[in-house]
Amino acid sequence: RKEVEQDPGPFNVPEGATVAFNCTYSNSASQSFFWYRQDCRKEPKLLMSVYSSGNEDGRFTAQLNRASQYISLLIRDSKLSDSATYLCVVNSPAGGFKTIFGAGTRLFVKA
Amino acid sequence: GAVVSQHPSRVICKSGTSVKIECRSLDFQATTMFWYRQFPKQSLMLMATSNEGSKATYEQGVEKDKFLINHASLTLSTLTVTSAHPEDSSFYICSAREGLRNEKLFFGSGTQLSVL
Repeated sequence: RKEVEQDPGPFNVPEGATVAFNCTYSNSASQSFFWYRQDCRKEPKLLMSVYSSGNEDGRFTAQLNRASQYISLLIRDSKLSDSATYLCVVNSPAGGFKTIFGAGTRLFVKA
Repeated sequence: GAVVSQHPSRVICKSGTSVKIECRSLDFQATTMFWYRQFPKQSLMLMATSNEGSKATYEQGVEKDKFLINHASLTLSTLTVTSAHPEDSSFYICSAREGLRNEKLFFGSGTQLSVL
């Protein structure tokens, strides 16, 4: 089993749609969680951190469920510019403080 | 915000040559730097972790003699792909962390390596 698993997609949605991405992690001792966005052949950029209490940044909402070892990202009112790959990232204590990337979920927003 | 500079952005080389990629932290001291490889439509795969002044820790399946990592100072890490072959063609990205427990990663802009 992979340490961080995501639905690879792709998700094809129209502009204005709401889309949700899910991610699960295997190490219950994992300490911190993030969503990154990566455009084609570019470096990943931090989108937001994920907290148990949930956090929202404009059209983006992230949620963490430690009991289920599950992370989610909700994008409301999708824009064309949201088209990218969304990476679930987990900081795990396994083997030293290690950052583990999910395989990413591809999103295509169409007019 | 913190900036990590990675050079070159693109390299095309002949099979058998060695290629060096540099990763510099411009406004902070990077205690730890990471090197990743990404094949098309695949995720970032961690290759190795380098700590300043010590040997790099390589992930399983990554040949340390093939991918030489040097982290001689707190602001510079280099990855050398030795005797590159076409199967080494990939997108290589570095990232840096300021402190041992700092959670934030700052990424370089990546290097697209094409081996002919």
